[in-house]
Amino acid sequence: KAGVTQTPRYLIKTRGQQVTLSCSPISGHRSVSWYQQTPGQGLQFLFEYFSETQRNKGNFPGRFSGRQFSNSRSEMNVSTLELGDSALYLCASRFRQNTEAFFGQGTRLTVV
Amino acid sequence: KNEVEQSPQNLTAQEGEFITINCSYSVGISALHWLQQHPGGGIVSLFMLSSGKKKHGRLIATINIQEKHSSLHITASHPRDSAVYICACPQGGSEKLVFGKGTKLTVNP
Repeated sequence: KAGVTQTPRYLIKTRGQQVTLSCSPISGHRSVSWYQQTPGQGLQFLFEYFSETQRNKGNFPGRFSGRQFSNSRSEMNVSTLELGDSALYLCASRFRQNTEAFFGQGTRLTVV
Repeated sequence: KNEVEQSPQNLTAQEGEFITINCSYSVGISALHWLQQHPGGGIVSLFMLSSGKKKHGRLIATINIQEKHSSLHITASHPRDSAVYICACPQGGSEKLVFGKGTKLTVNP
């Protein structure tokens, strides 16, 4: 069965712009989580959605937002991009709570 | 202070060697995850365990809940095992994963 698909794989944006990243989970998985990975901070949790509801949120500013659609696909949006937002953004899907997480290949965002 | 601590940070081994990576955590957890990340970024889930020991091929993961410690072992290491290995724990009963800083493993032929 198909894995977790993230699009686009690479993105270059200018400071001040906004960006939308997409994550399609494994079929049947209703939980999608988003993570940011930078060389300095490592992997950090952004937020988690389950059945279109945000269940958990990490310590990120309000410029970072997300949503989940009825087909479980999820998007995350970053507005007013800053240079420090340059990172690898990963999403992971699970069938339900306390089950194995399956990760996508990530979207590498570069802000110039 | 990170709630999840890994050691060592970097590890270089010769092909065939037995590898151990350690992970300690400071909060009560329901399960611990071991992840593998190759250059290029993609992450693969290796194990999710809440007690005892799990084995998959040459990989073995153990956890001691009382001591809040887990280890990942690789037997007969191979250059293709070269990657960053990351342990992660859910925080406070939620699905919010807290990650260790990772262990970069290099296996030389």
